[in-house]
Amino acid sequence: DSGVTQTPKHLITATGQRVTLRCSPRSGDLSVYWYQQSLDQGLQFLIQYYNGEERAKGNILERFSAQQFPDLHSELNLSSLELGDSALYFCASSPTGGYDGYTFGSGTRLTVV
Amino acid sequence: QKEVEQDPGPLSVPEGAIVSLNCTYSNSAFQYFMWYRQYSRKGPELLMYTYSSGNKEDGRFTAQVDKSSKYISLFIRDSQPSDSATYLCASFYGQNFVFGPGTRLSVLP
Repeated sequence: DSGVTQTPKHLITATGQRVTLRCSPRSGDLSVYWYQQSLDQGLQFLIQYYNGEERAKGNILERFSAQQFPDLHSELNLSSLELGDSALYFCASSPTGGYDGYTFGSGTRLTVV
Repeated sequence: QKEVEQDPGPLSVPEGAIVSLNCTYSNSAFQYFMWYRQYSRKGPELLMYTYSSGNKEDGRFTAQVDKSSKYISLFIRDSQPSDSATYLCASFYGQNFVFGPGTRLSVLP
């Protein structure tokens, strides 16, 4: 157990639907990162939050949004889902800026049918 | 051109072999370098972290960084079947890590 908790582990949903992925960072970590991993794209950075505020944005679609709550857990919202959104979504956390490494959760496998 | 490149493999070696995994990166501003190991359907786990050029050793693993040629390597000595996984190199710049696509390694008993 890495200390980063992601729920749910698996999600199957239909095109056009909206889902919410949840992440609880490791105790004491202020930064949360969301990554998408698909077979052909590898690990793609989506967005980072630090202590409740958005810190950096990567290749995140406009249909996707995220937030970090006062208790530091984070949610990634995916809407108007398309088949191509099927992927593993990882959350990672770090104590500060992340340059000393992230701790990843075990991921949420999203299947859009 | 991707910022971090790796040979995707797969790479198959016999148990006990020395494994060499390599990455190149394009942005000379990259400062911190890491190797992650990812087992199938699991999250990546941090193996090695280094900042400067040179070698860093941890048990059977050695990470090597050559900033002049923008080259990162991971060596695994006395490889074991339990080392079979995908190995991701990553470089940190600005606010986040950029990951290579990963090299899939199989160590055959």
